[in-house]
Amino acid sequence: KQEVTQIPAALSVPEGENLVLNCSFTDSAIYNLQWFRQDPGKGLTSLLLIQSSQREQTSGRLNASLDKSSGRSTLYIAASQPGDSATYLCAVGQGGSEKLVFGKGTKLTVNP
Amino acid sequence: GAVVSQHPSRVICKSGTSVKIECRSLDFQATTMFWYRQFPKQSLMLMATSNEGSKATYEQGVEKDKFLINHASLTLSTLTVTSAHPEDSSFYICSARDSGVRQTQYFGPGTRLLVL
Repeated sequence: KQEVTQIPAALSVPEGENLVLNCSFTDSAIYNLQWFRQDPGKGLTSLLLIQSSQREQTSGRLNASLDKSSGRSTLYIAASQPGDSATYLCAVGQGGSEKLVFGKGTKLTVNP
Repeated sequence: GAVVSQHPSRVICKSGTSVKIECRSLDFQATTMFWYRQFPKQSLMLMATSNEGSKATYEQGVEKDKFLINHASLTLSTLTVTSAHPEDSSFYICSARDSGVRQTQYFGPGTRLLVL
């Protein structure tokens, strides 16, 4: 059974700092991996999608990497801003079924 | 980008009543929609996969008679929580898979259910 773990559970940083969020998964047979952002009481916003054949994806200040063999992904946020404060969720897509297995998320607070 | 809506956004009901939650894909067709539940400080847990025109597929441990899913059109899926109890209080989120080339899931804003 696939399990997704995110470390740390919470992170507080000053504005402008670069930071890394970690995601690990137990079964490397994944179809893809996604990073989402969730604001309090809201739905999910997809940030980056990495296919299993890819190593990384970039969008603006965000960069996500994938090491399928070791079961790890990282989300790098450059020059963090208070508006980046949210919970970041990692989810792996299981091959064929399109099911997503989510981690519990990392709650990020960027202090002005 | 593609938009998925949910209605209602928030509902409070008495124990024993049934609650229907709608999930709509507004600008694309979705043959498949997914229903998730999220308890406070927990992961989103997949409850069921809803397929247009056929029966939903439920995850292990999810009671299909309690959580009724109907996917009658390519843009609408409904989740009905029957005889709701306080332990059903949760945040319910749907996602819709774009039937087009992209095959991407888009998530709705969620529905907060509180059962008194």
